[in-house]
Amino acid sequence: QVQLQQSGAELVKPGTSVKLSCKASGYTFTSNHMNWIKQTTGQGLEWIGIINPGSGGTSYNVKFKGKATLTVDKSSSTAFMQLSSLTPEDSAVYYCARAPLAYWGQGTLVTVSS
Amino acid sequence: DVVLTQTPPTLSATIGQSVSISCRSSQSLLHSNGNTYLHWLLQRPGQSPQLLIYSVSRLESGVPNRFSGSGSGTDFTLKISGVEAEDLGVYYCVQGTHAPLTFGSGTKLEIK
Repeated sequence: QVQLQQSGAELVKPGTSVKLSCKASGYTFTSNHMNWIKQTTGQGLEWIGIINPGSGGTSYNVKFKGKATLTVDKSSSTAFMQLSSLTPEDSAVYYCARAPLAYWGQGTLVTVSS
Repeated sequence: DVVLTQTPPTLSATIGQSVSISCRSSQSLLHSNGNTYLHWLLQRPGQSPQLLIYSVSRLESGVPNRFSGSGSGTDFTLKISGVEAEDLGVYYCVQGTHAPLTFGSGTKLEIK
């Protein structure tokens, strides 16, 4: 069965970066694009971007350009999202979700605090 | 960006009651390829969202057929025919016709 296993919760300091992972199993990793989505209480669900694991091609929400960088490692069927220059506004739960949103990871809680 | 407006924000229902949730878009969600990429998600407490309905009215595999979707253009509806206890949570509409993908603000379903 399709599973997306995300990395564990992160507590990080402002100004630093963090790299989240999403390990896929149960299907051919390169056959489906991978979305990344941010969820906060205040802003709800926001789409960050999408990556084609086969080509590495990406598309970002303008709001997250420069904040998020999406990559993949085909050898381990893992998608990554790096978030840079973190501020408290980046504190959220981040999900990976296989296109077209039928499968979601369990989410990674990122807390940005000094 | 496309704005999706969901109503009502909260909904209280008894078991067996039928309920509807509205999702209105700031622009038509009919894609130039003839498809309409309006989907519905349910997020149960403490869980990740799950896909219920895709492309307006297509039931995702494994989803009970008490869920149904309808609509076109800018107006869409999710109906639950006979609410069950497991249906509590927050329902979101999401559109994929226009980049970036955007979500409604959610409708919280409570069970009386």
